[in-house]
Amino acid sequence: AQTVTQSQPEMSVQDAETVTLSCTYDTSENNYYLFWYKQPPSRQMILVIRQEAYKQQNATENRFSVNFQKAAKSFSLKISDSQLGDTAMYFCAFRGLDGQNFVFGPGTRLSVLP
Amino acid sequence: ETGVTQTPRHLVMGMTNKKSLKCEQHLGHNAMYWYKQSAKKPLELMFVYSLEERVENNSVPSRFSPECPNSSHLFLHLHTLQPEDSALYLCASSPRGQAFYGYTFGSGTRLTVV
Repeated sequence: AQTVTQSQPEMSVQDAETVTLSCTYDTSENNYYLFWYKQPPSRQMILVIRQEAYKQQNATENRFSVNFQKAAKSFSLKISDSQLGDTAMYFCAFRGLDGQNFVFGPGTRLSVLP
Repeated sequence: ETGVTQTPRHLVMGMTNKKSLKCEQHLGHNAMYWYKQSAKKPLELMFVYSLEERVENNSVPSRFSPECPNSSHLFLHLHTLQPEDSALYLCASSPRGQAFYGYTFGSGTRLTVV
């Protein structure tokens, strides 16, 4: 079975600075998808970024980028130019190619400080 | 608004009450999910419906009863709950079998059992 680990329960970053959230996972599959979801105080889980494991190029979405290290089974999220609106819980998630259910990590609570 | 609507947003109920949570999506998705999110715990998958058929029930107590009358609507009927059932209940939907798309989540129902 797959597992997803986020070793940082809480983090903080100053406004306009850069922060990196860690995620590691365990799977025996060779191809799969990885996701980062954000859950702000409004409670709605929002997709931030996703990565296809068979693509070597790291995904980027505006200020959000990932560092995907397949051999190390690591999938970290980098937030550049942090904004107050980035304050949220961030969940890393794994999904197999067959569309099986997500496996979520426990989350990292990020606070962006003014 | 992401296209998945959950009502009510907040619910307080006594242990002997019967209530229902509602989830609605008009995204054309044909898989829907109920998750339980408790403080200090990972997201727990409760039920999965695919093409209106229940395909997974993760050992959820019978006091939780799901219903999926069509591909756009999902209910969670609650009966004789316990205080430990107090949590945020999240509904999600996705296109069946298309793993890359991930889930679209609702804003959740915050349930308090008194």
